[in-house]
Amino acid sequence: QVQLQESGPGLVKPSQTLSLTCSVSGDSFTSGDFCWTWIRQSPEKGLEWLGYIFPSGSTYYNPSLKGRLSMSVDISKSQFSLKLTSVTAADTAVYFCARENQQPLAHIDFWGQGTLVTVSS
Amino acid sequence: IQLTQSPSSLSASVGDRVTITCRASQGIANYVAWFQQKPGKAPKLLMYAASTLQGGVPSRFSGSGSGTDFTLTISSLQPEDFATYYCQQFNSYPLTFGGGTKVEIK
Repeated sequence: QVQLQESGPGLVKPSQTLSLTCSVSGDSFTSGDFCWTWIRQSPEKGLEWLGYIFPSGSTYYNPSLKGRLSMSVDISKSQFSLKLTSVTAADTAVYFCARENQQPLAHIDFWGQGTLVTVSS
Repeated sequence: IQLTQSPSSLSASVGDRVTITCRASQGIANYVAWFQQKPGKAPKLLMYAASTLQGGVPSRFSGSGSGTDFTLTISSLQPEDFATYYCQQFNSYPLTFGGGTKVEIK
């Protein structure tokens, strides 16, 4: 059974960088059958898929974030991270990390519990 | 790819048959998943590839569709099924979600 847990500050000031880490337990972290994703949810935008990272470091980011997003992976710790720069109030949301299973067809099968991040001075 | 769910909310009674639809702005084959979300919780995967039931999900849930039109059906609504349901497309990145359908108790 895979478990994911988000961690990071719950409050970030406008124009600063939002940083979150997802810790993954279970033995699937390095498998090429899975990639690791970030999704956020707000009342204004609903569920918004942000991007993915493979254990190899290969990434894809949602173009809607206009180059503000980066992701990284730490295989030794079974963790992956998100950095979102130049945040505004519109980035206030519950942030989820999740696993995207590529087999047999892509689907998101495990989620973290989510962490609320508020952007405010 | 935009996904439009309907209705946005519905009221139903225990035992009712409930159908939720999801329409894609372009053809997405069968690359659709359905999720259930309860307040304060993460979404839970119910179905992927339009009609493949995720392990552990009750068989009263079923999915169908291909191309642009998809449905999620709950054959006999149970008390634990009152929640918000979302479709998601996996045809192309960036992945996108529908706006949700809230199923409330009548």
